[in-house]
Amino acid sequence: DAGITQSPRHKVTETGTPVTLRCHQTENHRYMYWYRQDPGHGLRLIHYSYGVKDTDKGEVSDGYSVSRSKTEDFLLTLESATSSQTSVYFCAISEPPAGGYTFGSGTRLTVV
Amino acid sequence: LAKTTQPISMDSYEGQEVNITCSHNNIATNDYITWYQQFPSQGPRFIIQGYKTKVTNEVASLFIPADRKSSTLSLPRVSLSDTAVYYCLVGDMQRAGANNLFFGTGTRLTVIP
Repeated sequence: DAGITQSPRHKVTETGTPVTLRCHQTENHRYMYWYRQDPGHGLRLIHYSYGVKDTDKGEVSDGYSVSRSKTEDFLLTLESATSSQTSVYFCAISEPPAGGYTFGSGTRLTVV
Repeated sequence: LAKTTQPISMDSYEGQEVNITCSHNNIATNDYITWYQQFPSQGPRFIIQGYKTKVTNEVASLFIPADRKSSTLSLPRVSLSDTAVYYCLVGDMQRAGANNLFFGTGTRLTVIP
């Protein structure tokens, strides 16, 4: 979607290596989110941010950390990737109370 | 927490109206109901949002009864391109970001020629 981009779009990494996914927005929205999507589980919230340097945990935060040093960038880091973190990762933005979330196109991560 | 229940899948023929119902018995006073559409290899896309009664936009209608314990997304005259997964989301948009919004597994709609 226009205004939100994720990078990389695809990544294959080895177990035990650190991985960082990037979400970049040009909408100046206050809230940013990281979700993972797995078959049978739908979308699950990992972490979210409600402002620069303000973040909080979501439903499935173990093994992940985030950082937001600028309004436009929200980074998701897997400190030591495991096979259970193979998933599709989506970033989303919102600016309540209006409307809903705008999602990025996703990053497909494979941990081998 | 206002979790939602939707049918796992639905099939419909082209040109028919499709109604997808979502149950949310624990909906709170400040919660809004939002529906998203997701195509394969894409992120979910916002379709429609409402609080009560009926909301209509260019792609769908959302019907919400007085008790707000359920809602129905109505897609008029579906086409093959409407084949997607549809998610019902209930939450307090004023507190968006709080851990109170659950997407669930959605309803997989298949439109048949």
